[in-house]
Amino acid sequence: KAGVTQTPRYLIKTRGQQVTLSCSPISGHRSVSWYQQTPGQGLQFLFEYFSETQRNKGNFPGRFSGRQFSNSRSEMNVSTLELGDSALYLCASSLAGGFLETQYFGPGTRLLVL
Amino acid sequence: GQNIDQPTEMTATEGAIVQINCTYQTSGFNGLFWYQQHAGEAPTFLSYNVLDGLEEKGRFSSFLSRSKGYSYLLLKELQMKDSASYLCAVRASNYQLIWGAGTKLIIKP
Repeated sequence: KAGVTQTPRYLIKTRGQQVTLSCSPISGHRSVSWYQQTPGQGLQFLFEYFSETQRNKGNFPGRFSGRQFSNSRSEMNVSTLELGDSALYLCASSLAGGFLETQYFGPGTRLLVL
Repeated sequence: GQNIDQPTEMTATEGAIVQINCTYQTSGFNGLFWYQQHAGEAPTFLSYNVLDGLEEKGRFSSFLSRSKGYSYLLLKELQMKDSASYLCAVRASNYQLIWGAGTKLIIKP
């Protein structure tokens, strides 16, 4: 079974631009969560989607948004990029996001904002 | 607020045993996960505890005490490939996973 895939793997943008990242979950998985990872900060939860609905949201500004399609693929968008948005963005999928379920992570998209 | 604490960095010797601690304060508790993350790679699942006690899986064991808000990951017979960051995460009451900042484990020969 193919794992979680994310595209692109690396991205360089300048301040003020916007960016869209894509995540394809493991086949059959309907829950997709997005995280931002920076050195020393750990994984910061952005949002979770299940069956095309945002079920949970972290404490990030409105510049960060996402969506999920009927095939469970998900995208996240960051508008008006800031230098502090430079980070590794990880997505993780699980069957339904239940309490006992393990999340499986993709390789991440490394975003550098100049 | 919700908080998970882990040591930032630990060093151990190949062949030895190391214990990585994790303490948490969260809104609700529905299980604790340990993940391993090698530099430049995605986190991979190691273990899950929801009841008090020790879960053993090969060279790795994880312990949970819900009354103390405490868990540890025990790694035995350390190998060089165990050099990685170890992430502790708690499933809170709103399904959300709350993550610690991770413990970087350095293995020396």
